[in-house]
Amino acid sequence: TQLLEQSPQFLSIQEGENLTVYCNSSSVFSSLQWYRQEPGEGPVLLVTVVTGGEVKKLKRLTFQFGDARKDSSLHITAAQPGDTGLYLCAGVGRVNKFYFGSGTKLNVKP
Amino acid sequence: GAVVSQHPSRVICKSGTSVKIECRSLDFQATTMFWYRQFPKQSLMLMATSNEGSKATYEQGVEKDKFLINHASLTLSTLTVTSAHPEDSSFYICSARENPWTPQVSGNTIYFGEGSWLTVV
Repeated sequence: TQLLEQSPQFLSIQEGENLTVYCNSSSVFSSLQWYRQEPGEGPVLLVTVVTGGEVKKLKRLTFQFGDARKDSSLHITAAQPGDTGLYLCAGVGRVNKFYFGSGTKLNVKP
Repeated sequence: GAVVSQHPSRVICKSGTSVKIECRSLDFQATTMFWYRQFPKQSLMLMATSNEGSKATYEQGVEKDKFLINHASLTLSTLTVTSAHPEDSSFYICSARENPWTPQVSGNTIYFGEGSWLTVV
């Protein structure tokens, strides 16, 4: 059982389309982070959200932290093939353990 | 910036042997390091939390006698897969967080190693 559940698990879209990835938990997190990972490499940090209701933008990526700090979303506008990868949310759970979400595999077709 | 080095990046071992993977924080001290395992197309599963100078804390379902973790210094943690079997073949990644750790701070982050591919034949 994952502490952080992501949806959808897989997403295949055409270049130029918009998409949203969700990260949900029944637990409250002091902060949540989003990562992108390429096959065979370590995950790369995209953003950290700290405050409930916080919205952060990183070029075409918009991140939101839920008001109750139990969930987060990642919205990509006008997706490009370079956005293809595994997207992971992560957060510090109980006893300061760092858990990853179940992951969303995104494929953007040219 | 902070760097975490993991070694080896790829290792092939025979079934029944043991293999050690090292995780080093190169320019910062890390009281805590995390070890993850990742199967193809899946997320990173936390195996254990490695604390310097004390025993590692293992996640439910992870055999502590099979996956030995040692955190002897503030810059080095090792994961030893003992009596390896083909089903242990996986991508193993470590991460380390700087001291002091303040998860509420936006700029505070965790640094990841490059990962180690283990193939047991």
